[in-house]
Amino acid sequence: GQNIDQPTEMTATEGAIVQINCTYQTSGFNGLFWYQQHAGEAPTFLSYNVLDGLEEKGRFSSFLSRSKGYSYLLLKELQMKDSASYLCAVVDSNYQLIWGAGTKLIIKP
Amino acid sequence: DVKVTQSSRYLVKRTGEKVFLECVQDMDHENMFWYRQDPGLGLRLIYFSYDVKMKEKGDIPEGYSVSREKKERFSLILESASTNQTSMYLCASSPTRDGPYEQYFGPGTRLTVT
Repeated sequence: GQNIDQPTEMTATEGAIVQINCTYQTSGFNGLFWYQQHAGEAPTFLSYNVLDGLEEKGRFSSFLSRSKGYSYLLLKELQMKDSASYLCAVVDSNYQLIWGAGTKLIIKP
Repeated sequence: DVKVTQSSRYLVKRTGEKVFLECVQDMDHENMFWYRQDPGLGLRLIYFSYDVKMKEKGDIPEGYSVSREKKERFSLILESASTNQTSMYLCASSPTRDGPYEQYFGPGTRLTVT
């Protein structure tokens, strides 16, 4: 079967760094997306990784290891507005997105 | 910017009613998707469409149908609404099926069936 695992909830402090992990087992792999979703709003695109390694985009970075079936999203210099859910989604062999349940990130002052 | 709009942000319907959720995208995307999102379950795909008049079942199509008469519009129909269909419904679109393209989401419709 296909499976995406993420922690349900994480808490971090404003100004700190947090790493949100995502592990996956899917039929085929054509990349991995990270989306951000604020409460009551639509998901918005953060990053896409298809090759191993780290992709940096401002305060946010995303890492992929295909051999380990593992990705993480790294958020630096946390701000209160980063409080949101972070969704990991893997593109399978049919180019379908398989979604994780999301990680709710709570930022405390 | 890609814009995906949904007909209602909030909707309250009674059990047994027929419910129509409309989604429109303005970027000439070929692919359109309907998801429902429930706490702890993530996004679950109901139906998707790669072209006008084409539809494919997703993971949870039971109790739903769809219609795509025009490229920009994808409708989700609940033939006879039930309380277990109370959920957030999200529409999304992406350019074509030939690659892992980003999906663009509408604002969502929070449906309550009483």
